[in-house]
Amino acid sequence: TQLLEQSPQFLSIQEGENLTVYCNSSSVFSSLQWYRQEPGEGPVLLVTVVTGGEVKKLKRLTFQFGDARKDSSLHITAAQPGDTGLYLCAGVRYGNKLVFGAGTILRVKS
Amino acid sequence: ETGVTQTPRHLVMGMTNKKSLKCEQHLGHNAMYWYKQSAKKPLELMFVYNFKEQTENNSVPSRFSPECPNSSHLFLHLHTLQPEDSALYLCASSQEAGAPETQYFGPGTRLLVL
Repeated sequence: TQLLEQSPQFLSIQEGENLTVYCNSSSVFSSLQWYRQEPGEGPVLLVTVVTGGEVKKLKRLTFQFGDARKDSSLHITAAQPGDTGLYLCAGVRYGNKLVFGAGTILRVKS
Repeated sequence: ETGVTQTPRHLVMGMTNKKSLKCEQHLGHNAMYWYKQSAKKPLELMFVYNFKEQTENNSVPSRFSPECPNSSHLFLHLHTLQPEDSALYLCASSQEAGAPETQYFGPGTRLLVL
């Protein structure tokens, strides 16, 4: 049983479309992180959300942490081919231990 | 640009071989981590070192043997692996384990066990 469920597992969209990726858990986390991983590279941290209900924006990316700190979403507006990659969410537990979801593979076609 | 490097980037080995993966961080961090990433599965934390001392072994089989000679270098020694050990092995570092610090990942070693 995965502690963090990500959906969808795979998403293929056209350039300019909007999309949302979800990260859900039955556990509470002190914070939650989103990473992007490109082929041949390791994950790179995009954002950390800490407070329940928090919303953070990073250019066309909007991250939201659920009020109960159990779930999160990543919304991309007007997706670009450069957004293509594997998006990982990771819940931060006591002792700075990261619990990762299985990831969402995003492909943006031009 | 990542301050964590890993070598080799790709490795093919037989089940009877012995090989080692190397990780080096240039960030002045004190904590280093090994993760295993398999297709369609979450990243699995394997080992944690903090100030050269192993602080976590996440029930990893003994055919994986980590070594941390100093805070900048981390090795993963491999012997008598199984085909199911084929995966991307990622190294990461952070300022200190157990603190709310960002972990920085290396590019990984893609391992294939035949």
